[in-house]
Amino acid sequence: SQQGEEDPQALSIQEGENATMNCSYKTSINNLQWYRQNSGRGLVHLILIRSNEREKHSGRLRVTLDTSKKSSSLLITASRAADTASYFCATAREYGNKLVFGAGTILRVKS
Amino acid sequence: EAEVAQSPRYKITEKSQAVAFWCDPISGHATLYWYRQILGQGPELLVQFQDESVVDDSQLPKDRFSAERLKGVDSTLKIQPAELGDSAMYLCASSWTGLAYNEQFFGPGTRLTVL
Repeated sequence: SQQGEEDPQALSIQEGENATMNCSYKTSINNLQWYRQNSGRGLVHLILIRSNEREKHSGRLRVTLDTSKKSSSLLITASRAADTASYFCATAREYGNKLVFGAGTILRVKS
Repeated sequence: EAEVAQSPRYKITEKSQAVAFWCDPISGHATLYWYRQILGQGPELLVQFQDESVVDDSQLPKDRFSAERLKGVDSTLKIQPAELGDSAMYLCASSWTGLAYNEQFFGPGTRLTVL
């Protein structure tokens, strides 16, 4: 069973533009994480935001979390062709609990 | 840079055959995870090990799947017999601990095709 739902399912933008992906979840969480997956490869951890945080930055990435709406967004600024990948949000419900992944957003950045 | 190793990268088998996948986590990582990822979906946890002990196998189809991590280091996931619906990517990941805020490091995966 998948806890998170990403929106949109697919996104196509031009290099240099910003990309925004959204994630909604159903239950209370301890933290929410974003991962990137290049085609046919394993996942790479991007960023973790805890339930008591509202915004976090890492390089060109900005993540927000709204626990009242049970939603998160990932913003990639000044996108590059190398950002082309699938992006997944994953939630951890409790301290020490397993990660539950959403279905992902496919991002294509055209050069 | 340390990485999670998996083999084989690709496996094609016929239904009713047995298959096995191997994973070598990053050295020192106590927690090891096996995920199944069906095309177009996110990964789903099959089994989680803390050292050599299973701490979560609630989603593992135990009638046909088995997993072991005998010495608390590398791990093997087996399917016997394989079914058509088992076609998927099988991902192994590891982390320092099983705590939820720990980053999980993923291997490249094994792509299984069952004919």
